[in-house]
Amino acid sequence: DIVMTQSPDSLAASLGERATINCKSSQSVLSNNKNYLTWYQQKPGQPPKLLIYWASTRESGVPDRFSGSGSGTDFTLTISSLLAEDVAVYYCQHYYSTPWTFGQGTKVEIK
Amino acid sequence: EVQLLESGGGLVQPGGSLRLSCAASGFTFSSYAMTWVRQAPGKGLEWVSGFSGTGGSTYYADSVKGRFTISRDNSKNTLYLQMNSLRAEDTAVYYCAKGQGGYYYSPTDNWGQGTLVTVSS
Repeated sequence: DIVMTQSPDSLAASLGERATINCKSSQSVLSNNKNYLTWYQQKPGQPPKLLIYWASTRESGVPDRFSGSGSGTDFTLTISSLLAEDVAVYYCQHYYSTPWTFGQGTKVEIK
Repeated sequence: EVQLLESGGGLVQPGGSLRLSCAASGFTFSSYAMTWVRQAPGKGLEWVSGFSGTGGSTYYADSVKGRFTISRDNSKNTLYLQMNSLRAEDTAVYYCAKGQGGYYYSPTDNWGQGTLVTVSS
């Protein structure tokens, strides 16, 4: 199974600051020039919401302050200017092979 | 608008069974891969099972293989998860999610609100 490891487990940043979350997979999720990697945002009491897929493609309707980067085994989700509404837990997940696995989550708070 | 509505959760004793349903609307259900993901209280997300939209392939996590069965009725636009031999560790909110296409190895772009399954005596 591919193990997904996120860092940090939690972060607190000021409004307007940049927030960066890292995700590392135990083996490459790159195939045919595509990285099989998504990022989700989950707010309390809500289902996960797709933010980024194929590691760097923003889902329709997602604000452009969210961006994804990386390839192979190392990936990053960046929130360029943190808003209060971005308080949530963020998960990376691969869909390269079954079982699909998720990172443990990163809790983002406002400092 | 895509809508996914899970139902069938509840309290069940260890060793018991439940069948979850996910009623889909707003898209051509038969053409899309579908997935079940669960989340234990206060914990992270765990992939449970999936069904491709093309070819009819099914996929299971090792933790549920042999106990859970995924199925779909394209005439009713509904995804199911039959859960047998339930254990305390199966306690979770169960979400159904829609793939972006028929091929299973694609992102899941829409999720239901989830249904809570509690396994306890």
